[in-house]
Amino acid sequence: AQSVTQLGSHVSVSEGALVLLRCNYSSSVPPYLFWYVQYPNQGLQLLLKYTTGATLVKGINGFEAEFKKSETSFHLTKPSAHMSDAAEYFCAVLNTGNQFYFGTGTSLTVIP
Amino acid sequence: DTGVSQDPRHKITKRGQNVTFRCDPISEHNRLYWYRQTLGQGPEFLTYFQNEAQLEKSRLLSDRFSAERPKGSFSTLEIQRTEQGDSAMYLCASSSYEGNTEAFFGQGTRLTVV
Repeated sequence: AQSVTQLGSHVSVSEGALVLLRCNYSSSVPPYLFWYVQYPNQGLQLLLKYTTGATLVKGINGFEAEFKKSETSFHLTKPSAHMSDAAEYFCAVLNTGNQFYFGTGTSLTVIP
Repeated sequence: DTGVSQDPRHKITKRGQNVTFRCDPISEHNRLYWYRQTLGQGPEFLTYFQNEAQLEKSRLLSDRFSAERPKGSFSTLEIQRTEQGDSAMYLCASSSYEGNTEAFFGQGTRLTVV
């Protein structure tokens, strides 16, 4: 069975500081992993994805994530936070049955 | 705009009434998903279509919920005899069978049952 755990439901960082949002997954097969961002009253927008190949994945808005199989992790990072990064972030895994399983989300606050 | 479209964006209904939501996926996508999201939670899978076939339904989808995708294009989600616990954001997403595997989400329908 597939599942996703996001550690830290709320993360606060200062503007310009490093952003680190944590995601761990469980999967019985090599996973497809995703990070989505959601702004208030909006749908989800894809930030980046890992399917195969390079384990360091770059996405939009300066975000990147690294797939670490040994740690079953797919943490999201951004070197320098911007005020516009304040949003809800969801990690997701796609299972072999073509279902997306989402974590409970991490709310990112950026302090000016 | 060729994104996923959902209608309506907001719906307020009285308990016991029936409601129906519509989703128009990206035109070349043959997979369509419905999710439900409550405050502070991630999206929860409800059901999934490949073309017109409903391949999987979550246990969350009680007998009061029904979804259709009659011609493999748009989809509808109906909730009968709504309850206050049905209040949530209902998200539709679509993806392609081949190539990119990510799901593209609509902006959702926010249902409030009073």
